Amino acid sequence: GAVVSQHPSRVICKSGTSVKIECRSLDFQATTMFWYRQFPKKSLMLMATSNEGSKATYEQGVEKDKFLINHASLTLSTLTVTSAHPEDSSFYICSASYGTGGYQPQHFGDGTRLSIL
Amino acid sequence: SQQGEEDPQALSIQEGENATMNCSYKTSINNLQWYRQNSGRGLVHLILIRSNEREKHSGRLRVTLDTSKKSSSLLITASRAADTASYFCAQPAIQGAQKLVFGQGTRLTINP
Repeated sequence: GAVVSQHPSRVICKSGTSVKIECRSLDFQATTMFWYRQFPKKSLMLMATSNEGSKATYEQGVEKDKFLINHASLTLSTLTVTSAHPEDSSFYICSASYGTGGYQPQHFGDGTRLSIL
Repeated sequence: SQQGEEDPQALSIQEGENATMNCSYKTSINNLQWYRQNSGRGLVHLILIRSNEREKHSGRLRVTLDTSKKSSSLLITASRAADTASYFCAQPAIQGAQKLVFGQGTRLTINP
């Protein structure tokens, strides 16, 4: 149980392109979804937290106009990297959790490797 | 910074040996979680230990928590090549929150 699907797994595109990444919880309703960025051999950096039907909460230093997050339903959140540039190249990972109280683990997608040429 | 520190950053052992990874954190917690990440993949939740627990087991995994020292350890017994991965501890950003802060991770290599 608690399967999260992330798509696409890899994207290679030209500078200036906008890229959309989808994160779906397949067998549960996710009250909260998270988007992370990970650099090679580094830890996860939280970018934003999204709850269904409300605006995402971005971490300090993350440009909300650059990284658009939409959480349209309890099973789907999307991250759009707008006008991507080479410095946006990274590994992006989503996770989802359900319930409240802070004792719920997060369930992760398999990540999207974004390469901007 | 709340971010936990993990020790060691990298660990290489022979198959069959035990692997121990440590995590220290700075703020009070109500739980601490351990995750595994295989290369190029997402994270997999391993164990959640609550602040009122001292030890927890799951198969070949044993997690301990010492809240007085603000530290936790993950022990993998009888390691296998398939255990090769990065292991991260994570704590809630604030008590009761679902948002997690991850440690720097330990890269574990099991040599056949």
